[in-house]
Amino acid sequence: EAAVTQSPRNKVTVTGGNVTLSCRQTNSHNYMYWYRQDTGHGLRLIHYSYGAGNLQIGDVPDGYKATRTTQEDFFLLLELASPSQTSLYFCASSDAPDGYEQYFGPGTRLTVL
Amino acid sequence: GDQVEQSPSALSLHEGTGSALRCNFTTTMRAVQWFRKNSRGSLINLFYLASGTKENGRLKSAFDSKERYSTLHIRDAQLEDSGTYFCAASGTGGYKVVFGSGTRLLVSP
Repeated sequence: EAAVTQSPRNKVTVTGGNVTLSCRQTNSHNYMYWYRQDTGHGLRLIHYSYGAGNLQIGDVPDGYKATRTTQEDFFLLLELASPSQTSLYFCASSDAPDGYEQYFGPGTRLTVL
Repeated sequence: GDQVEQSPSALSLHEGTGSALRCNFTTTMRAVQWFRKNSRGSLINLFYLASGTKENGRLKSAFDSKERYSTLHIRDAQLEDSGTYFCAASGTGGYKVVFGSGTRLLVSP
């Protein structure tokens, strides 16, 4: 069974739209991450969290909010979506941040028209 | 600045041949992961190494923290190996996992 799931798998919205991407992990991991991946780039960290109620800023946080409601669930919020946020979004979890293996979800492809 | 340099950026192989992908690190890394992004966009976890080498079927990976590099060797390439391969390395402090920019592999008949 997939230990990290994401929904939706595909989403199309318009500029200015409000989008929520969901991630759930059943690994009992403390750390969860949101990345975006664009052609020609590796994954870039948007936000991460080390537990329910915690949120840490990543490397490319502008235009994104996130919320960790439980140990299992981590949400990425785009309140005013822009075309520059068209991307492939990955969620991941890990037991700890430093040198520990990350487990990735299947990805969500977001298109902002 | 960028901490991971991945090469080559693109690679074409004929079925049955092999090659190597490489990631060089500008700082000491504690561990490295290799992934393949398939045609559906999902990230497949290939290897996680904190040192040494690992082998799985036609794939073999090595990581040398002291020399600051990791490699992924593919032998007897098959059509289904096509995709984009990423390395990702985690440093000696904090949360950061840094990704290479990817290698687009195309295996042709």
